[in-house]
Amino acid sequence: GAGVSQSPSNKVTEKGKDVELRCDPISGHTALYWYRQSLGQGLEFLIYFQGNSAPDKSGLPSDRFSAERTGGSVSTLTIQRTQQEDSAVYLCASSSPDSLNSPLHFGNGTRLTVT
Amino acid sequence: LAKTTQPISMDSYEGQEVNITCSHNNIATNDYITWYQQFPSQGPRFIIQGYKTKVTNEVASLFIPADRKSSTLSLPRVSLSDTAVYYCLVGFRDNYGQNFVFGPGTRLSVLP
Repeated sequence: GAGVSQSPSNKVTEKGKDVELRCDPISGHTALYWYRQSLGQGLEFLIYFQGNSAPDKSGLPSDRFSAERTGGSVSTLTIQRTQQEDSAVYLCASSSPDSLNSPLHFGNGTRLTVT
Repeated sequence: LAKTTQPISMDSYEGQEVNITCSHNNIATNDYITWYQQFPSQGPRFIIQGYKTKVTNEVASLFIPADRKSSTLSLPRVSLSDTAVYYCLVGFRDNYGQNFVFGPGTRLSVLP
C-alpha cells in the first residue's frame, strides 16, 4: 500500500520567506511526527500528533515553527521568516493505532535549502 | 528522556555477522527498544523492536539482557546493501507525548 508521502521533495527559498511542508500519512494512522535532520546528523524531534489529543510541541525550536493536522490526516509544517540554519531535511512519520509503540513509518523527507 | 549510546561507525565485510550494541542505562519500565535503518536520501526504516530477552525476524535479531541496560542488534551475513546508518531508540509514547530521541546512530560500512 501507499506509504507516507511528503511534498515537495525539495524546496529552495530565500531567507525571510515562509514555507509550508506537507505530509500525507498512511491511511488510518493516528500518530504523526515531524523530525528535522541536518546533514550527517541524527533526527531532531519537532512535534507529535496523537489522535485528537493536544500535540506535543516540545521539540519546536522557535515560535517561527508551527504545525497543524487537519481532520486527523494530512499535516502541514510551516516555517515563518526562514533562516539559513533552518536548512535541513524535514521528515514526517506516522504509526498505526494498533499499539502505542507501533513502529514509525517515515516518508523520504523534504530537503529545505534557505539561501 | 531515555538516552542511548552507540558506536559512531563500524566496518564489516560481506558475509560476516555484525553486532551493534546500544547502551541505555536509564531505561524505564515502560520503555521499548527499537532499531531503525536509514539509507542516504531516505527516511529511516523500522528493523526490529523488543522489550526483553530475544526477538528475531527475517532481517535481524535483537538481544536484550535481563537488566535491559543495553541491547544488541545482530545482522546475519551482511551484504553491501546493508551499508547504512542504524539508530537505536529507547522510550515509549502515549496520548500526551513521546519520550524517545534519535541519537547520531551507527554508520555501518560493509566492504567487499
